Amino acid sequence: DQQVKQNSPSLSVQEGRISILNCDYTNSMFDYFLWYKKYPAEGPTFLISISSIKDKNEDGRFTVFLNKSAKHLSLHIVPSQPGDSAVYFCAAHTGTASKLTFGTGTRLQVTL
Amino acid sequence: GAVVSQHPSRVICKSGTSVKIECRSLDFQATTMFWYRQFPKQSLMLMATSNEGSKATYEQGVEKDKFLINHASLTLSTLTVTSAHPEDSSFYICSASGGAGGQETQYFGPGTRLLVL
Repeated sequence: DQQVKQNSPSLSVQEGRISILNCDYTNSMFDYFLWYKKYPAEGPTFLISISSIKDKNEDGRFTVFLNKSAKHLSLHIVPSQPGDSAVYFCAAHTGTASKLTFGTGTRLQVTL
Repeated sequence: GAVVSQHPSRVICKSGTSVKIECRSLDFQATTMFWYRQFPKQSLMLMATSNEGSKATYEQGVEKDKFLINHASLTLSTLTVTSAHPEDSSFYICSASGGAGGQETQYFGPGTRLLVL
């Protein structure tokens, strides 16, 4: 049972444009959501997170939006840069220091 | 701080040998560490949750006698793959919570590539 889903396995965006990565979840007990960026043969790098009591969190070029009623979150990257090309995972958990449930990842390619 | 290291980064071993992987939080104390495994083109799968001073909690389907976890201090957790076989070849990644992002955020190590011949 895939509780966190990223339905787009890949996304290609031109440099300078906005990248929008989507994530859906089914477990209503999730109360904290995170986005990670991962390069091959490396550990995930934490990007940004959001608590379920908020609907938006912004950090530089990265903004995460949460729609609890739709059980949907998205990561916006603007402007997109070639160095953003990587696999992006959304993840969620149900409490402090509890285990993360990961989505299947979306490979973002930012083209020149 | 939120730096997590792993050692070794890559290991090749013969079938039947045991391999120990270390996970350290370098600039913060981590009461909880997690061990994941990632197969090619798949997502990260949690293997176990490691709490300092207590026994690890294993996910369903993960053999605790094969994957020994020891969380001896607030900055070190070890995963030992005992009697490794080729099917154990994978990318093993640890994470720790309690860094700059608080207990809600897990910070990951760089991973360990295990190849069992």
